[in-house]
Amino acid sequence: GQNIDQPTEMTATEGAIVQINCTYQTSGFNGLFWYQQHAGEAPTFLSYNVLDGLEEKGRFSSFLSRSKGYSYLLLKELQMKDSASYLCAVRDYGQNFVFGPGTRLSVLP
Amino acid sequence: KAGVTQTPRYLIKTRGQQVTLSCSPISGHRSVSWYQQTPGQGLQFLFEYFSETQRNKGNFPGRFSGRQFSNSRSEMNVSTLELGDSALYLCASSLEWENTGELFFGEGSRLTVL
Repeated sequence: GQNIDQPTEMTATEGAIVQINCTYQTSGFNGLFWYQQHAGEAPTFLSYNVLDGLEEKGRFSSFLSRSKGYSYLLLKELQMKDSASYLCAVRDYGQNFVFGPGTRLSVLP
Repeated sequence: KAGVTQTPRYLIKTRGQQVTLSCSPISGHRSVSWYQQTPGQGLQFLFEYFSETQRNKGNFPGRFSGRQFSNSRSEMNVSTLELGDSALYLCASSLEWENTGELFFGEGSRLTVL
Protein backbone atom coordinates (compact mmCIF):
# COMPACT_ATOMS: atom_id res chain seq x y z
CA GLY A 1 0.00 0.00 0.00
CA GLN A 2 0.86 3.66 -0.17
CA ASN A 3 1.26 5.56 3.08
CA ILE A 4 2.86 8.86 3.96
CA ASP A 5 2.85 10.27 7.48
CA GLN A 6 3.48 13.80 8.68
CA PRO A 7 2.58 15.64 11.88
CA THR A 8 -0.73 17.42 11.52
CA GLU A 9 0.24 20.72 13.08
CA MET A 10 3.35 22.47 14.33
CA THR A 11 3.97 25.83 15.95
CA ALA A 12 7.22 27.78 16.04
CA THR A 13 8.45 31.27 16.80
CA GLU A 14 9.65 33.84 14.30
CA GLY A 15 13.42 33.57 13.82
CA ALA A 16 13.56 29.98 15.06
CA ILE A 17 14.31 26.72 13.23
CA VAL A 18 11.67 24.05 12.64
CA GLN A 19 11.96 20.51 11.28
CA ILE A 20 8.97 18.83 9.65
CA ASN A 21 9.29 15.07 9.39
CA CYS A 22 7.84 12.74 6.79
CA THR A 23 7.87 8.95 6.72
CA TYR A 24 6.72 6.96 3.73
CA GLN A 25 5.92 3.50 2.49
CA THR A 26 5.21 3.43 -1.23
CA SER A 27 5.31 0.97 -4.10
CA GLY A 28 8.54 2.14 -5.68
CA PHE A 29 10.45 5.35 -5.20
CA ASN A 30 11.35 7.88 -7.83
CA GLY A 31 11.86 11.04 -5.82
CA LEU A 32 10.53 12.87 -2.78
CA PHE A 33 9.09 16.35 -3.05
CA TRP A 34 8.11 19.06 -0.61
CA TYR A 35 5.43 21.59 -1.46
CA GLN A 36 4.27 24.69 0.37
CA GLN A 37 0.61 25.65 0.32
CA HIS A 38 -0.68 28.90 1.77
CA ALA A 39 -4.34 28.97 2.74
CA GLY A 40 -6.54 29.36 -0.32
CA GLU A 41 -3.65 29.06 -2.74
CA ALA A 42 -2.11 26.40 -4.98
CA PRO A 43 0.75 24.23 -3.71
CA THR A 44 4.16 25.44 -4.87
CA PHE A 45 7.30 23.36 -5.27
CA LEU A 46 9.96 23.71 -2.58
CA SER A 47 12.45 20.88 -2.91
CA TYR A 48 13.29 17.54 -4.48
CA ASN A 49 15.40 14.64 -3.20
CA VAL A 50 16.12 11.45 -5.07
CA LEU A 51 19.46 10.48 -3.48
CA ASP A 52 20.22 10.20 0.22
CA GLY A 53 21.48 13.33 1.88
CA LEU A 54 20.75 16.97 2.37
CA GLU A 55 19.66 19.44 -0.29
CA GLU A 56 19.96 23.08 0.72
CA LYS A 57 18.11 25.94 -0.90
CA GLY A 58 18.40 29.21 0.96
CA ARG A 59 16.53 29.07 4.26
CA PHE A 60 15.02 25.69 3.34
CA SER A 61 16.78 22.33 3.39
CA SER A 62 15.44 18.85 2.77
CA PHE A 63 16.93 15.55 3.84
CA LEU A 64 16.29 12.04 2.57
CA SER A 65 17.11 8.55 3.83
CA ARG A 66 15.74 5.99 1.38
CA SER A 67 16.67 3.00 3.54
CA LYS A 68 14.61 4.43 6.42
CA GLY A 69 11.76 5.78 4.28
CA TYR A 70 12.31 9.13 5.95
CA SER A 71 12.63 12.75 4.99
CA TYR A 72 12.54 16.08 6.74
CA LEU A 73 12.15 19.69 5.70
CA LEU A 74 14.19 22.16 7.72
CA LEU A 75 13.14 25.80 7.79
CA LYS A 76 15.61 28.28 9.25
CA GLU A 77 15.16 31.90 10.35
CA LEU A 78 11.42 31.49 10.33
CA GLN A 79 9.33 34.36 9.03
CA MET A 80 5.63 35.05 9.47
CA LYS A 81 5.10 34.35 5.77
CA ASP A 82 6.27 30.77 6.34
CA SER A 83 2.93 30.05 8.04
CA ALA A 84 1.46 27.52 5.60
CA SER A 85 0.83 23.83 5.06
CA TYR A 86 3.83 21.74 4.00
CA LEU A 87 3.09 18.70 1.87
CA CYS A 88 5.42 15.73 1.54
CA ALA A 89 4.96 13.73 -1.67
CA VAL A 90 6.60 10.65 -3.14
CA ARG A 91 6.70 9.88 -6.85
CA ASP A 92 6.60 6.17 -7.59
CA TYR A 93 7.88 4.25 -10.60
CA GLY A 94 4.61 4.86 -12.42
CA GLN A 95 5.20 8.62 -12.14
CA ASN A 96 2.31 8.84 -9.68
CA PHE A 97 2.58 11.38 -6.89
CA VAL A 98 1.37 10.23 -3.48
CA PHE A 99 0.85 13.08 -1.05
CA GLY A 100 0.95 13.08 2.71
CA PRO A 101 -1.81 14.79 4.72
CA GLY A 102 0.26 17.95 5.10
CA THR A 103 1.65 19.72 8.15
CA ARG A 104 0.10 23.04 9.08
CA LEU A 105 2.85 25.30 10.41
CA SER A 106 1.99 28.38 12.44
CA VAL A 107 4.75 30.93 12.99
CA LEU A 108 4.15 33.14 16.00
CA PRO A 109 5.71 36.56 16.61
CA LYS B 1 5.16 32.11 -19.24
CA ALA B 2 1.56 31.56 -18.19
CA GLY B 3 0.92 29.15 -15.34
CA VAL B 4 -1.65 26.40 -15.06
CA THR B 5 -5.14 27.81 -15.56
CA GLN B 6 -8.25 26.22 -14.14
CA THR B 7 -11.86 27.19 -14.79
CA PRO B 8 -14.24 27.79 -13.21
CA ARG B 9 -12.65 28.86 -9.92
CA TYR B 10 -15.83 28.42 -7.89
CA LEU B 11 -19.06 26.62 -8.55
CA ILE B 12 -22.10 25.42 -6.65
CA LYS B 13 -24.10 22.39 -7.73
CA THR B 14 -26.85 20.26 -6.23
CA ARG B 15 -26.85 16.54 -5.63
CA GLY B 16 -27.42 14.49 -8.74
CA GLN B 17 -26.08 17.10 -11.13
CA GLN B 18 -22.90 16.74 -13.12
CA VAL B 19 -19.95 19.10 -13.46
CA THR B 20 -17.10 19.63 -15.90
CA LEU B 21 -13.85 21.31 -14.87
CA SER B 22 -11.20 22.57 -17.25
CA CYS B 23 -7.43 22.82 -17.00
CA SER B 24 -4.92 24.44 -19.35
CA PRO B 25 -1.35 23.32 -18.57
CA ILE B 26 1.82 25.33 -18.89
CA SER B 27 2.85 25.56 -22.53
CA GLY B 28 4.99 22.57 -23.45
CA HIS B 29 3.81 20.40 -20.57
CA ARG B 30 2.25 17.18 -21.81
CA SER B 31 1.44 15.54 -18.49
CA VAL B 32 -1.67 16.72 -16.67
CA SER B 33 -2.89 15.24 -13.41
CA TRP B 34 -5.91 15.92 -11.23
CA TYR B 35 -6.23 15.87 -7.45
CA GLN B 36 -9.06 16.23 -4.98
CA GLN B 37 -8.22 18.15 -1.84
CA THR B 38 -10.38 18.04 1.29
CA PRO B 39 -9.54 19.09 4.84
CA GLY B 40 -9.77 15.55 6.15
CA GLN B 41 -8.10 13.60 3.34
CA GLY B 42 -5.48 15.93 1.97
CA LEU B 43 -4.51 15.65 -1.69
CA GLN B 44 -5.94 12.53 -3.31
CA PHE B 45 -4.83 11.51 -6.80
CA LEU B 46 -7.64 11.22 -9.35
CA PHE B 47 -5.95 10.53 -12.70
CA GLU B 48 -3.09 11.51 -14.94
CA TYR B 49 -3.04 12.08 -18.68
CA PHE B 50 -0.11 12.14 -21.06
CA SER B 51 -0.47 12.74 -24.78
CA GLU B 52 -4.27 12.29 -24.67
CA THR B 53 -4.00 8.92 -22.91
CA GLN B 54 -4.99 8.20 -19.34
CA ARG B 55 -1.83 6.74 -17.92
CA ASN B 56 -2.75 6.37 -14.25
CA LYS B 57 -5.94 6.36 -12.23
CA GLY B 58 -6.53 6.78 -8.53
CA ASN B 59 -9.02 5.01 -6.32
CA PHE B 60 -12.16 6.97 -7.18
CA PRO B 61 -15.53 5.69 -8.44
CA GLY B 62 -16.41 5.67 -12.12
CA ARG B 63 -18.45 8.86 -11.66
CA PHE B 64 -15.12 10.65 -11.95
CA SER B 65 -13.75 10.76 -15.47
CA GLY B 66 -11.47 12.89 -17.55
CA ARG B 67 -9.88 13.42 -20.89
CA GLN B 68 -7.04 15.28 -22.52
CA PHE B 69 -7.08 17.03 -25.86
CA SER B 70 -4.38 17.25 -28.51
CA ASN B 71 -3.30 20.66 -27.19
CA SER B 72 -2.76 19.06 -23.74
CA ARG B 73 -5.74 20.87 -22.20
CA SER B 74 -7.67 18.57 -19.93
CA GLU B 75 -11.16 18.29 -18.54
CA MET B 76 -12.55 16.26 -15.70
CA ASN B 77 -16.17 15.37 -15.21
CA VAL B 78 -18.07 14.27 -12.14
CA SER B 79 -21.53 12.82 -12.70
CA THR B 80 -24.34 12.25 -10.21
CA LEU B 81 -22.80 14.58 -7.67
CA GLU B 82 -22.84 13.66 -4.00
CA LEU B 83 -22.39 15.90 -0.97
CA GLY B 84 -19.01 14.29 -0.33
CA ASP B 85 -17.73 15.53 -3.68
CA SER B 86 -17.46 19.03 -2.24
CA ALA B 87 -13.76 19.78 -2.45
CA LEU B 88 -11.02 21.76 -4.10
CA TYR B 89 -10.06 20.12 -7.38
CA LEU B 90 -6.48 20.83 -8.35
CA CYS B 91 -4.90 20.32 -11.73
CA ALA B 92 -1.14 20.05 -12.15
CA SER B 93 1.11 19.85 -15.17
CA SER B 94 4.71 18.72 -15.51
CA LEU B 95 7.53 18.24 -17.96
CA GLU B 96 8.14 14.87 -16.37
CA TRP B 97 11.46 13.76 -17.74
CA GLU B 98 13.18 17.11 -17.57
CA ASN B 99 14.69 18.67 -14.48
CA THR B 100 13.00 17.26 -11.43
CA GLY B 101 9.65 16.69 -13.10
CA GLU B 102 7.92 18.58 -10.33
CA LEU B 103 4.24 19.37 -10.50
CA PHE B 104 3.02 22.89 -11.23
CA PHE B 105 -0.43 23.42 -9.76
CA GLY B 106 -3.30 25.62 -10.82
CA GLU B 107 -5.34 27.66 -8.33
CA GLY B 108 -8.02 24.99 -8.29
CA SER B 109 -11.77 24.77 -8.81
CA ARG B 110 -13.71 24.86 -5.56
CA LEU B 111 -16.85 22.76 -5.90
CA THR B 112 -19.67 22.95 -3.39
CA VAL B 113 -22.43 20.37 -3.63
CA LEU B 114 -25.68 21.24 -1.84
